[in-house]
Amino acid sequence: DAGVTQTPRHEVAEKGQTIILKCEPVSGHNDLFWYRQTKIQGLELLSYFRSKSLMEDGGAFKDRFKAEMLNSSFSTLKIQPTEPKDSAVYLCASSFGQNTEVFFGKGTRLTVV
Amino acid sequence: QQQVRQSPQSLTVWEGETAILNCSYENSAFDYFPWYQQFPGEGPALLIAIRSVSDKKEDGGFTIFFNKREKNLSLHIKDSQPGDSATYFCAASANSAGNKLTFGIGTRVLVRP
Repeated sequence: DAGVTQTPRHEVAEKGQTIILKCEPVSGHNDLFWYRQTKIQGLELLSYFRSKSLMEDGGAFKDRFKAEMLNSSFSTLKIQPTEPKDSAVYLCASSFGQNTEVFFGKGTRLTVV
Repeated sequence: QQQVRQSPQSLTVWEGETAILNCSYENSAFDYFPWYQQFPGEGPALLIAIRSVSDKKEDGGFTIFFNKREKNLSLHIKDSQPGDSATYFCAASANSAGNKLTFGIGTRVLVRP
C-alpha cells in the first residue's frame, strides 16, 4: 500500500550546505503539502501545491526554502543555505482535495551542525 | 499568534479513564476540524474529523464535541488504553483555503496502565 514516501529519513548537514528532501505523494492525489515540525512551533506550513501549481509558499520561509513539484508524483524541498535553526522534522503530505483526509509521510529528520 | 490553540500541552491519565483534550480557534472561516494522532517516528494520521454544521462526532472510543458559538472543540478519549499514548493535534481548514490545514501545537497524552 503506497502511502506518502519521503527520503531520506534522516539527514545531517553542515551549516551553509544545500540539501534536497524528496517526496512521493499518494498516487492520484491533487494536493501536496510540506510542513516543518518542531516541539516549540508545532507544524508550520512551508508550501502547498494544488494540481502541481504553487498555492502558498509559507511567507516566512520564502527566503531559503524552495519547494517544487516536477510532476504529479514527485516533489522536492530545497533548503539553501542551511542554518542550525533549520533542524527539525520535515513532513510531506498529500490529499485528493477539499475536506478530504490529508495523508502524511514519516518525515525527514534534518540536523544542521 | 496561534490561530489554533490546544490545551493542555501534556496529559496523563490512568488506563480506563477518559482523556479530554481542548482546542480553540480564532478564524470564523474555519469549517472543518480534523484531529490527528502521531506516534514517535511516524507522521500524523487522521483520527476523527468534524464539520462545523455538526456539534458532535463519534468514532469508536473517540468523540469530538464542537461549539461553534464559542469557537472551541474537545476530543474525548473514552476508556483510554496505553496504546492511545501519543501526541494529538487539533487542526482546522476553511473552505476558501483549499485543503490547507492549520495545526495546534499538540497535546501529548500518556496513558498509564
